[in-house]
Amino acid sequence: TQLLEQSPQFLSIQEGENLTVYCNSSSVFSSLQWYRQEPGEGPVLLVTVVTGGEVKKLKRLTFQFGDARKDSSLHITAAQPGDTGLYLCAGGYQKVTFGIGTKLQVIP
Amino acid sequence: EAQVTQNPRYLITVTGKKLTVTCSQNMNHEYMSWYRQDPGLGLRQIYYSMNVEVTDKGDVPEGYKVSRKEKRNFPLILESPSPNQTSLYFCASTSSGTNYGYTFGSGTRLTVV
Repeated sequence: TQLLEQSPQFLSIQEGENLTVYCNSSSVFSSLQWYRQEPGEGPVLLVTVVTGGEVKKLKRLTFQFGDARKDSSLHITAAQPGDTGLYLCAGGYQKVTFGIGTKLQVIP
Repeated sequence: EAQVTQNPRYLITVTGKKLTVTCSQNMNHEYMSWYRQDPGLGLRQIYYSMNVEVTDKGDVPEGYKVSRKEKRNFPLILESPSPNQTSLYFCASTSSGTNYGYTFGSGTRLTVV
């Protein structure tokens, strides 16, 4: 089983701050996905990164796929309370692996 | 609206009483999968299906069964539920070929007493 390690597991910041969360593996992935999950709800897909070195932006969120396709990062600029949630990375095809997630709290 | 529909949302049952959690998708996706989510353990894959009549075990298949008789439906069956199967369950689907990201259902919170 391919493993995905996310860090940090918990993050509490003030509104307006910047933050980066990480998703690392010793395995190569053909693609990685990032999801955000609200309590009691299903994860919602934010982005898929496919090419090594790829950078994708979604408003204030910037996603990067490592050159070797073993890691990815999510950077949030000027965090808002609406960014609060659990951020999950996932990879694999038939057998899909999820990281344990980063629980983000943005305090107004 | 493109969606994955799970039922029921909440279920409390007793040990040993067979139950089925239904999952249906309207996106003509070939690939469907079931996950359970537990605190500290994250999302773990139970079973997945690449297409009709094609299913395979994920990481935690013990105590579960699935079937894929139609493309849109992928029910999860617990023949003899036990308290350690108390969890939040998610069904998800995507197009085949590669994983460009799942569409998830809203979840089923199962409590086995």
